[in-house]
Amino acid sequence: KAGVTQTPRYLIKTRGQQVTLSCSPISGHRSVSWYQQTPGQGLQFLFEYFSETQRNKGNFPGRFSGRQFSNSRSEMNVSTLELGDSALYLCASSILTEDGYTFGSGTRLTVV
Amino acid sequence: GQQLNQSPQSMFIQEGEDVSMNCTSSSIFNTWLWYKQEPGEGPVLLIALYKAGELTSNGRLTAQFGITRKDSFLNISASIPSDVGIYFCAGRFPGSDKIIFGKGTRLHILP
Repeated sequence: KAGVTQTPRYLIKTRGQQVTLSCSPISGHRSVSWYQQTPGQGLQFLFEYFSETQRNKGNFPGRFSGRQFSNSRSEMNVSTLELGDSALYLCASSILTEDGYTFGSGTRLTVV
Repeated sequence: GQQLNQSPQSMFIQEGEDVSMNCTSSSIFNTWLWYKQEPGEGPVLLIALYKAGELTSNGRLTAQFGITRKDSFLNISASIPSDVGIYFCAGRFPGSDKIIFGKGTRLHILP
């Protein structure tokens, strides 16, 4: 069965631009979470969605937003990009949030 | 803020040696998870622990959920080259769906 699919795999953007990242969870998984991974900070929780509702949010500025569609696919958006937003953005899905997550391969965002 | 303290940060070991790493927190968790991440990929779940005191194995990997619910360890026996990677612990707070991660233990294996 297909895993968690994230697109695109790599992205280069300029400061001030905005970006949208996409995540398709495993079929049947209704919970989708997003994490930012950087060498210095490790995996930082961004937000979690379940049945189109945001259930948890991490400590990131309002420039970071997300949504989930009725088919459980999720997108995250970062507006007014800053150099410090360069990171690997990981999406993870699970059937129930009591389960461990299955991660996608991530989107590597570079802001120049 | 909420955080997991994972140690060691990195390890250099000889092939065939056993490995031990652990995570501690000032908070209580009701789930502990251990992941491995290889270059260019997302973390992969190795072991999930749901009860205090639980000891679970997955091949050469063994993990335990600490009795206090504030710590967990992962052991790897007889390490092999493909064990190289970054190992993350993660914990879920009681009554919450949110999972937080440790900063990882980077495992290097010397030939």
